[in-house]
Amino acid sequence: EAGVAQSPRYKIIEKRQSVAFWCNPISGHATLYWYQQILGQGPKLLIQFQNNGVVDDSQLPKDRFSAERLKGVDSTLKIQPAKLEDSAVYLCASSLTPDYGYTFGSGTRLTVV
Amino acid sequence: DQQVKQNSPSLSVQEGRISILNCDYTNSMFDYFLWYKKYPAEGPTFLISISSIKDKNEDGRFTVFLNKSAKHLSLHIVPSQPGDSAVYFCAARVIQGAQKLVFGQGTRLTINP
Repeated sequence: EAGVAQSPRYKIIEKRQSVAFWCNPISGHATLYWYQQILGQGPKLLIQFQNNGVVDDSQLPKDRFSAERLKGVDSTLKIQPAKLEDSAVYLCASSLTPDYGYTFGSGTRLTVV
Repeated sequence: DQQVKQNSPSLSVQEGRISILNCDYTNSMFDYFLWYKKYPAEGPTFLISISSIKDKNEDGRFTVFLNKSAKHLSLHIVPSQPGDSAVYFCAARVIQGAQKLVFGQGTRLTINP
């Protein structure tokens, strides 16, 4: 089966600019996650979708971050405006159900300068 | 607060010897504990898990031990191989709500020939 696809792989932007990341989960996986991994730290959940509904976005900085999952398939994560501390790897993962194991994509490495 | 901690940022082991990676947690509201392995420029991949009602799970060269009274788990790799060199993340699944995973900071394992 195809894995979780993410794009772009790398992105460099200036602070206060906006950026968007895209994720295509494994076909049939209803649950989709966006994690932020800052260098030297473990991944931190930003938002979890079940189909196209938000299950948990308690750690999403909603003043600058937004995410959507149209039609319960692909998802985009946007940052506007970006700050230096947003520099991180943004990981997308999907699973059949929350009970099932996650499969992670390769991530998007964001550098804000 | 739901916390998972890996206090050793790095570990170096001789090829053929046993690697032991440790993880502590501070909250009892976890029902599963998982280990993920991450190579550079790739997403984390699932390695092995253990239910909170068990104290040991084995899969080939990998064994995870859970000590609930100490809120401690460990991953044993024996014998260690050069391909095991990677960053290892401990994760715990929250029982309630969205059943999200909470990750530790990671331990970089280096296997020396």
